[in-house]
Amino acid sequence: DAGITQSQRHKVTETGTPVTLRCHQTENHRYMYWYRQDPGHGLRLIHYSYGVKDTDKGEVSDGYSVSRSKTEDFLLTLESATSSQTSVYFCAISESRADGYTFGSGTRLTVV
Amino acid sequence: AQSVAQPEDQVNVAEGNPLTVKCTYSVSGNPYLFWYAQYPNRGLQFLLKYITGDNLVKGSYGFEAEFNKSQTSFHLKKPSALVSDSALYFCAVRVHTGGFKTIFGAGTRLFVKA
Repeated sequence: DAGITQSQRHKVTETGTPVTLRCHQTENHRYMYWYRQDPGHGLRLIHYSYGVKDTDKGEVSDGYSVSRSKTEDFLLTLESATSSQTSVYFCAISESRADGYTFGSGTRLTVV
Repeated sequence: AQSVAQPEDQVNVAEGNPLTVKCTYSVSGNPYLFWYAQYPNRGLQFLLKYITGDNLVKGSYGFEAEFNKSQTSFHLKKPSALVSDSALYFCAVRVHTGGFKTIFGAGTRLFVKA
């Protein structure tokens, strides 16, 4: 989507390795989010950020960490990848809490 | 527990017929309500939202949604379906008690037949 980029569409990694997914936005939006999409679960929030260096946990944050050192970049790290983290990961941005999200194109991560 | 329900896994309609995708929620307070569509070639897209005001809100691609406070529902509608409306639709509810949190429904797959 225009204004938000997820650097990889597909990624395969091995169990136990660290993995970092990058989200980059050019919209200067304050809020950034990482979601995972799994069949039957919709979209579940992993972590979100409400400003540079300001982040908070979502409902499925275990095993994940995030960092936001610049307004435009939000990194998601799987500290030690497990098979249960095989999923499609979406980054999203919003200008305010009342706005709809703009989503990135997603990264399909497979942990083998 | 706060939750969002999309009671139908799949909805089938014929092109030209009206469509409805249902959403009900159980949350505290007055939430913000959203609909998103996930298209095969266009990704996840925001369609519309309800914050306050008129119970009928209009959004992208001819979609509208009706908010019903007493039934805690926010059903997505379109008067005349197109084959290109075939997608996975998500209802989302943003609650703002003890911080903001958005809860997504599990999704409803819409098939529109020509």
